[in-house]
Amino acid sequence: EPEVTQTPSHQVTQMGQEVILRCVPISNHLYFYWYRQILGQKVEFLVSFYNNEISEKSEIFDDQFSVERPDGSNFTLKIRSTKLEDSAMYFCASSGGFGQSETFGSGTRLTVV
Amino acid sequence: GQNIDQPTEMTATEGAIVQINCTYQTSGFNGLFWYQQHAGEAPTFLSYNVLDGLEEKGRFSSFLSRSKGYSYLLLKELQMKDSASYLCAVRERGNYQLIWGAGTKLIIKP
Repeated sequence: EPEVTQTPSHQVTQMGQEVILRCVPISNHLYFYWYRQILGQKVEFLVSFYNNEISEKSEIFDDQFSVERPDGSNFTLKIRSTKLEDSAMYFCASSGGFGQSETFGSGTRLTVV
Repeated sequence: GQNIDQPTEMTATEGAIVQINCTYQTSGFNGLFWYQQHAGEAPTFLSYNVLDGLEEKGRFSSFLSRSKGYSYLLLKELQMKDSASYLCAVRERGNYQLIWGAGTKLIIKP
């Protein structure tokens, strides 16, 4: 069964450092998403990406965040200067069409110290 | 505003049936999703409702009433592996993002 792949599975970084979280969506999917989930809290939408541009973003997705699809397979989330409150599980997801169910990757657990 | 409510926790017995409710208030509606999430893992898709009525998928069924802003997930013949959180999520019309409930933690006892 096709999978969304995320790397790394865990990342520890110092406050103020830049991090890049990587995702390989399912190959024939067209819509890509990043979500985060702080431990014990609800899943929160960050950004959606379609046709090589951001289609929607939440209030959480401020100037410290950016996304990129550098080639035909990878989809990355960059956090420019990490803060303690950025510590969370970050999930990448993809779907084949607008409104269709999303398949999630296994997540990257980011810890900012 | 946007609001999705689910019970925080429920307990059920192996082999029994459990119904997890979800109520929502959103600006427009374009589908409701149920996901299962085991601790420390990613959400996995269970079901999708966009029209009123019942959708059945094996041991799992999901119901939607748009006029009442209400959905439920019904799990039959419960197994120990069904112990997980069940997340209700709604997509508003014209939007890409899913708005998520806080999830219902389901505990299955032998």
